[in-house]
Amino acid sequence: GQQVMQIPQYQHVQEGEDFTTYCNSSTTLSNIQWYKQRPGGHPVFLIQLVKSGEVKKQKRLTFQFGEAKKNSSLHITATQTTDVGTYFCAGTGGYQKVTFGTGTKLQVIP
Amino acid sequence: EAQVTQNPRYLITVTGKKLTVTCSQNMNHEYMSWYRQDPGLGLRQIYYSMNVEVTDKGDVPEGYKVSRKEKRNFPLILESPSPNQTSLYFCASSFGEKLFFGSGTQLSVL
Repeated sequence: GQQVMQIPQYQHVQEGEDFTTYCNSSTTLSNIQWYKQRPGGHPVFLIQLVKSGEVKKQKRLTFQFGEAKKNSSLHITATQTTDVGTYFCAGTGGYQKVTFGTGTKLQVIP
Repeated sequence: EAQVTQNPRYLITVTGKKLTVTCSQNMNHEYMSWYRQDPGLGLRQIYYSMNVEVTDKGDVPEGYKVSRKEKRNFPLILESPSPNQTSLYFCASSFGEKLFFGSGTQLSVL
């Protein structure tokens, strides 16, 4: 079945450092989404990427979708304490099935 | 306000005692789904529903039941809960692929 792996599982950074999480799918995806879950909260939609090689930016966040549509990344520039949380990718594959990655928990040290 | 409402927020129960977690959305979404979140495993889909009276198994359906008699409601039923169903549960609804999550239900089965 479709599997989506995400690395790293945990990341601690000093405030101001950059952060990247990577997502890899075992199958080609029709699109990929990214969600953020604050501690004690629920996942909240950040963005969706659809096109091969697509790059989108939201302020300090940069999202990329691989050329083969099997991988994606989220890069945060100059992290802030408000970036703390777990970031999930979610890939849509065959039969519109959505599979979540395992998540990357980000800790930002002030 | 557009939202997905889950109840209860916290639930402690004993093995074998039937329980229902309710989920309701006010956005007229056709698609609804249930996930469980466990450390290191991310979000795994339990069941989903494409519309009223249409439900299907996700990745981890064993031990769970659902029903979709009305568009807005999608309850999750555990007929005979077991300790391995202790987890954080999320209900979600969507129009397109963007998922809107409820606040979650932390279930402990003793």
